Amino acid sequence: GENVEQHPSTLSVQEGDSAVIKCTYSDSASNYFPWYKQELGKRPQLIIDIRSNVGEKKDQRIAVTLNKTAKHFSLHITETQPEDSAVYFCAASISGTSYGKLTFGQGTILTVHP
Amino acid sequence: SAVISQKPSRDICQRGTSLTIQCQVDSQVTMMFWYRQQPGQSLTLIATANQGSEATYESGFVIDKFPISRPNLTFSTLTVSNMSPEDSSIYLCSVGTSGSETQYFGPGTRLLVL
Repeated sequence: GENVEQHPSTLSVQEGDSAVIKCTYSDSASNYFPWYKQELGKRPQLIIDIRSNVGEKKDQRIAVTLNKTAKHFSLHITETQPEDSAVYFCAASISGTSYGKLTFGQGTILTVHP
Repeated sequence: SAVISQKPSRDICQRGTSLTIQCQVDSQVTMMFWYRQQPGQSLTLIATANQGSEATYESGFVIDKFPISRPNLTFSTLTVSNMSPEDSSIYLCSVGTSGSETQYFGPGTRLLVL
């Protein structure tokens, strides 16, 4: 089955700096890659996603890039703010099937220092 | 996106007992999933709840331990049976609709087994 590796496990940045989180996946059939943000005691919230027919997607301060050949994708957060502090999870799935189950990475604890 | 609720939000249970968790959605959804998030860990898929048929379990999870029902397109239950302290986790349902890979999570149920 699919395996998703996520790095780093913790990331500490100063406010205003950029943060990058990287994930690799094993199943070349995977074609949908969402990113979730989970604040302490809350549910995972989808913040951005990308499909395999796209190399990059941006939404304000966040962007995701995908390299299908290397089977890795990354989350980029620019101009970080203290409210960006949370646990971030990447995931992968095979869309277009009735199953659609997500395989998650291990998570990255992002801390943004004021 | 759909509004998803879970009951109970949290519970403390004695070992050897069972707890049934409910997931309610305010609109019909195609896919419903149950995940477990152990303390400080990532999300692991337990099973896909299939409407009108038996759930599809992931490796390491069995029906006798985690029976699941899905009587219609807006509701599902997960039972954690014969609980032990190792079952202490957050249990989350997620939903998706046909034609979209996007999954949204419920608020979760925090379970502590003593």
